[in-house]
Amino acid sequence: DGGITQSPKYLFRKEGQNVTLSCEQNLNHDAMYWYRQDPGQGLRLIYYSQIVNDFQKGDIAEGYSVSREKKESFPLTVTSAQKNPTAFYLCASRLGTGYYEQYFGPGTRLTVT
Amino acid sequence: GNSVTQMEGPVTLSEEAFLTINCTYTATGYPSLFWYVQYPGEGLQLLLKATKADDKGSNKGFEATYRKETTSFHLEKGSVQVSDSAVYFCAPLTGNQFYFGTGTSLTVIP
Repeated sequence: DGGITQSPKYLFRKEGQNVTLSCEQNLNHDAMYWYRQDPGQGLRLIYYSQIVNDFQKGDIAEGYSVSREKKESFPLTVTSAQKNPTAFYLCASRLGTGYYEQYFGPGTRLTVT
Repeated sequence: GNSVTQMEGPVTLSEEAFLTINCTYTATGYPSLFWYVQYPGEGLQLLLKATKADDKGSNKGFEATYRKETTSFHLEKGSVQVSDSAVYFCAPLTGNQFYFGTGTSLTVIP
């Protein structure tokens, strides 16, 4: 079955540690996205990538980093510089430009204490 | 700039009631319009979409019509079910970026 995998579902870290969230897709999609979701708020774009080895900052990129070395993979690192990292993180992919919809993974809930 | 305003929730309806969730947007250019649904603890799923003015998107009894003159894309369903309880997001697409509303939580009671 094609789809997007995010792992793990729940992640716990101590303050001051970097943590990497995994996102893999086997849909052969060119574009991939990372969003952050907080209670009562919509999705806010962190980073997105249209092609391998290229990515752009979204609205809230500070304290986050990404890489896109393979088409299938778009890992997100939450660094210790991110002031409020506890949130629900969603990865999405899209076939390409135009009016194609996004497909979402199941999300990773990160808790930093 | 680009933004979207959704009807504030939470919305509570009885089963078989009529549903409307309002969505208006501001966007540069000519956006495509989407509605997504999110069930508790899960990612978002596409519900329906429309890509040009007067298009009607529909799926699972839900409908929304692209109204360019009023920059709106209101979601409707004639008879809701308990299984429709979820959070609904309106999302215009401009360029390569989606702009998500804050979401409207719907609870349907038997």
